[in-house]
Amino acid sequence: GAGVSQTPSNKVTEKGKYVELRCDPISGHTALYWYRQSLGQGPEFLIYFQGTGAADDSGLPNDRFFAVRPEGSVSTLKIQRTERGDSAVYLCASSLTPASNYGYTFGSGTRLTVV
Amino acid sequence: ILNVEQSPQSLHVQEGDSTNFTCSFPSSNFYALHWYRWETAKSPEALFVMTLNGDEKKKGRISATLNTKEGYSYLYIKGSQPEDSATYLCAFMGNNAGNMLTFGGGTRLMVKP
Repeated sequence: GAGVSQTPSNKVTEKGKYVELRCDPISGHTALYWYRQSLGQGPEFLIYFQGTGAADDSGLPNDRFFAVRPEGSVSTLKIQRTERGDSAVYLCASSLTPASNYGYTFGSGTRLTVV
Repeated sequence: ILNVEQSPQSLHVQEGDSTNFTCSFPSSNFYALHWYRWETAKSPEALFVMTLNGDEKKKGRISATLNTKEGYSYLYIKGSQPEDSATYLCAFMGNNAGNMLTFGGGTRLMVKP
């Protein structure tokens, strides 16, 4: 596609429910990143995929968070037993190579609200 | 934990004013410094990727400088316009960071017509 697509754009869920956030990167981009932005802060790293594998998942806050990229393109971020503190904008980005001189291309994010 | 700081947190200027903001980052294990512009309800957009000490990059009225030895970068906007209103984010990539970016908290710029 022309850009990075994230769905849904907004998600409101009840505390304790399970949610899935989807990211469709630019075709051919091997590197895919998930970030989370809480109010008043910069984006915080969650996980980085190189192809199908998670090259670095050190930013996932706990075992309620999990992400997959089974065919090396679309990625899904999964959050179990959601808590109010999970409310944030979840950003996905992709790049042609991990250290691209062109920077990352970001999606417009999924705003998750846990009530 | 890498410390990437941006100042000021927010800035209000009049149309036509020139302005600048600062990003400070670790001076060791440097690989790259990115600048992004994030307008409300849109995606963050890459402005610059800077890799060499002393680098200066320019895009229209926006320019950036880089000092890797002392760990800072400046972003300058000449003759601010209302459409420049956005949050400006810098992000540091280290040699041993696993190719991920560590972002600062951003500078929110508001340009009044």
